[in-house]
Amino acid sequence: GIQVEQSPPDLILQEGANSTLRCNFSDSVNNLQWFHQNPWGQLINLFYIPSGTKQNGRLSATTVATERYSLLYISSSQTTDSGVYFCAGPMGGKLIFGQGTELSVKP
Amino acid sequence: KAGVTQTPRYLIKTRGQQVTLSCSPISGHRSVSWYQQTPGQGLQFLFEYFSETQRNKGNFPGRFSGRQFSNSRSEMNVSTLELGDSALYLCASRIQETQYFGPGTRLLVL
Repeated sequence: GIQVEQSPPDLILQEGANSTLRCNFSDSVNNLQWFHQNPWGQLINLFYIPSGTKQNGRLSATTVATERYSLLYISSSQTTDSGVYFCAGPMGGKLIFGQGTELSVKP
Repeated sequence: KAGVTQTPRYLIKTRGQQVTLSCSPISGHRSVSWYQQTPGQGLQFLFEYFSETQRNKGNFPGRFSGRQFSNSRSEMNVSTLELGDSALYLCASRIQETQYFGPGTRLLVL
């Protein structure tokens, strides 16, 4: 089965800074997803990105499936970006999640 | 479209009791999955239902069960609660390859 590893586990940023979160997956993943879990526990879809690059406002993501990694870029971070970021890959209808990157953006 | 809804949002039970959680998927989504999130184990898959049939099951004891109704709403039940069942239980509905999560039910077992 696939395994998903994320780095770094924790990240503290000053408001306005940029960051890059990484997700490595151990097996061929066709449908990688990135989520943001807010402080209330809600998992919010950020990107469905099996390959290539997508952008949504200050966030963008790139997946290089042949090299089995994905990157999530956050530019000009805001305090509302705080929370835990997960990447997940499907295996037989279920999602395998990484352990997450906990981001804290300080004002 | 309304998102995935879960009820109740918070629940406190004592050891040995049972609990039932409910999930209503996004309209038109027929697949519903359940996940357990704990600080120690992270997000773990419980089971998936599609058209009232369980399609996948995670590595959880038989105390964890679920079902899906004809309107795609799903319930999960945990019997004989243990302290370790304290967790955030998340439900997701799926269309094609993208899963959308509800706000979760926080269960505390005392």
